[in-house]
Amino acid sequence: AQSVAQPEDQVNVAEGNPLTVKCTYSVSGNPYLFWYVQYPNRGLQFLLKYITGDNLVKGSYGFEAEFNKSQTSFHLKKPSALVSDSALYFCAVRPLTSGTYKYIFGTGTRLKVLA
Amino acid sequence: KAGVTQTPRYLIKTRGQQVTLSCSPISGHRSVSWYQQTPGQGLQFLFEYFSETQRNKGNFPGRFSGRQFSNSRSEMNVSTLELGDSALYLCASSLSGVGTDTQYFGPGTRLTVL
Repeated sequence: AQSVAQPEDQVNVAEGNPLTVKCTYSVSGNPYLFWYVQYPNRGLQFLLKYITGDNLVKGSYGFEAEFNKSQTSFHLKKPSALVSDSALYFCAVRPLTSGTYKYIFGTGTRLKVLA
Repeated sequence: KAGVTQTPRYLIKTRGQQVTLSCSPISGHRSVSWYQQTPGQGLQFLFEYFSETQRNKGNFPGRFSGRQFSNSRSEMNVSTLELGDSALYLCASSLSGVGTDTQYFGPGTRLTVL
């Protein structure tokens, strides 16, 4: 079965430190990969996506993600965390199998940046 | 460009009632997807519409239905509400739902079933 795993329910990091939010996936073929962020009482906001090419993808608000095909991972990173980055982060994949028009989301990782 | 809009933002219903939620996609987007978000289950895919046709459906009972109009606006209906239907319902739109498309989400409708 196709799936996305975010192994950490919560990640705590001190402001100014680098952060990593992990994501691994299990789908056939080469999927498209996405990161979204959700602030309280809001919908999901698109951060970045990997389609093809350079394994390091840069996105909004200083976030970037590293695609690793051999490890089937797509970890979200930021060099220096801000308190305002505290939110719920979702990894998603869109398999490229024929007839599939849906995204598969991970369970989310709550990021808490401590001042 | 205006984002995805959802109405109403909050809704309180009682068990057994039915409810209709509305979603207006970003102008030019023809694919609309619906998701249910709960603390225990995370984001669950409900269905996706393109050009007034349902292309894909998640594993939800038939009480959950939807439709899309010629202007790409979409509605989702839940009949015979159950307590477990309490959730944040998110709508997302994209240009075509295929290729390198990106989904953009609305703010959601918070449904509470009493």
